[in-house]
Amino acid sequence: GIQVEQSPPDLILQEGANSTLRCNFSDSVNNLQWFHQNPWGQLINLFYIPSGTKQNGRLSATTVATERYSLLYISSSQTTDSGVYFCAVEPLNRDDKIIFGKGTRLHILP
Amino acid sequence: EAGVTQFPSHSVIEKGQTVTLRCDPISGHDNLYWYRRVMGKEIKFLLHFVKESKQDESGMPNNRFLAERTGGTYSTLKVQPAELEDSGVYFCASSRYRTSGVDEQYFGPGTRLTVT
Repeated sequence: GIQVEQSPPDLILQEGANSTLRCNFSDSVNNLQWFHQNPWGQLINLFYIPSGTKQNGRLSATTVATERYSLLYISSSQTTDSGVYFCAVEPLNRDDKIIFGKGTRLHILP
Repeated sequence: EAGVTQFPSHSVIEKGQTVTLRCDPISGHDNLYWYRRVMGKEIKFLLHFVKESKQDESGMPNNRFLAERTGGTYSTLKVQPAELEDSGVYFCASSRYRTSGVDEQYFGPGTRLTVT
């Protein structure tokens, strides 16, 4: 089945720094989504981005479907950005499936 | 160890009818989450149980949706009356409760709901 790999697994940055999280996937997908896991474990949708670039405040994401990767950018990181970021894909013709990466744990130090 | 199970796998109902979805989490997992993917859109968080208590139900779309987790084991999500826009795939996930930090979340196979 489709494989989803996220890198780096852990990232420690000072407040104010910029960060780039990567998601590689092994096969074509219908859709890709970035989530932030909050302290209660809830997965909160950040971007639904099968291709192209989207921006929301300090966060932006780019998916290059033909090259099978997506990037999540966080600019001017804040301590509240800490947590685990997951990438999840929807395989072709299977909208009832979610395949998650293992996540990137981001620590923003004050 | 059995994974998260959901029942039914697919439900087709008419607008105005009632449907109840069930989720059985992994044994010992106190956290239970419901998510849904409305057709063609992103997966969104619906609500979160810790044991039998609702920790957060901010994602529930309206009062036609009612979730319960009596006894802190399995959970049900009832839609009454169902509307066309409720069609989608409903996912359940569970994880162990930790006093600090969060544990890995395991997803069920989903229930596809089709409202005609």
